[in-house]
Amino acid sequence: KAGVTQTPRYLIKTRGQQVTLSCSPISGHRSVSWYQQTPGQGLQFLFEYFSETQRNKGNFPGRFSGRQFSNSRSEMNVSTLELGDSALYLCASSLGTSVHEQYFGPGTRLTVT
Amino acid sequence: AQSVTQLDSQVPVFEEAPVELRCNYSSSVSVYLFWYVQYPNQGLQLLLKYLSGSTLVKGINGFEAEFNKSQTSFHLRKPSVHISDTAEYFCAVTLLGIQGAQKLVFGQGTRLTINP
Repeated sequence: KAGVTQTPRYLIKTRGQQVTLSCSPISGHRSVSWYQQTPGQGLQFLFEYFSETQRNKGNFPGRFSGRQFSNSRSEMNVSTLELGDSALYLCASSLGTSVHEQYFGPGTRLTVT
Repeated sequence: AQSVTQLDSQVPVFEEAPVELRCNYSSSVSVYLFWYVQYPNQGLQLLLKYLSGSTLVKGINGFEAEFNKSQTSFHLRKPSVHISDTAEYFCAVTLLGIQGAQKLVFGQGTRLTINP
């Protein structure tokens, strides 16, 4: 089975711009979660989608949003980028309950200048 | 709210020596516990997980962890490390059964460095 894929792998944006990141889960997985990883704050949960519905949300401002499509692929969007949004954004997929392992993609490295 | 504390930010050890990476958690409800490993420029890979049952959990690459409910700890151990174990290790918890929703709460990570 193919793993979780994320595109693009690297991205450079300017403050004030917006960005869309994409995640394709493992075939058959209906849950997709997003995490932000920074040296200062570590790994922080952004949100989780299951069957096109946001089921869980972390403590991030409304500039961070996401969606999930009927094929379980997910996108996250960050509007009005700030320097502090520079991070590794990780996507994880799973079958969808707490007992199930989350499989992580390689991440998208976003740099905001 | 749940929180996870990894007691050591960096752990240097010599090759073939034993290692223990410490993790404590706090939660008012039952949780599931996980250890993940992150190699440079890669995503996270699951090493092992504790859901229920035996408190000693064996994982991949020779790692094991022991769940201690009274001390709210989930320390990771390996009896003999290799150079290839150099990586960052994350302890995480997730809630039980909140409509099946998944949210991993991670510790700050422990950077394990193996010296020859």
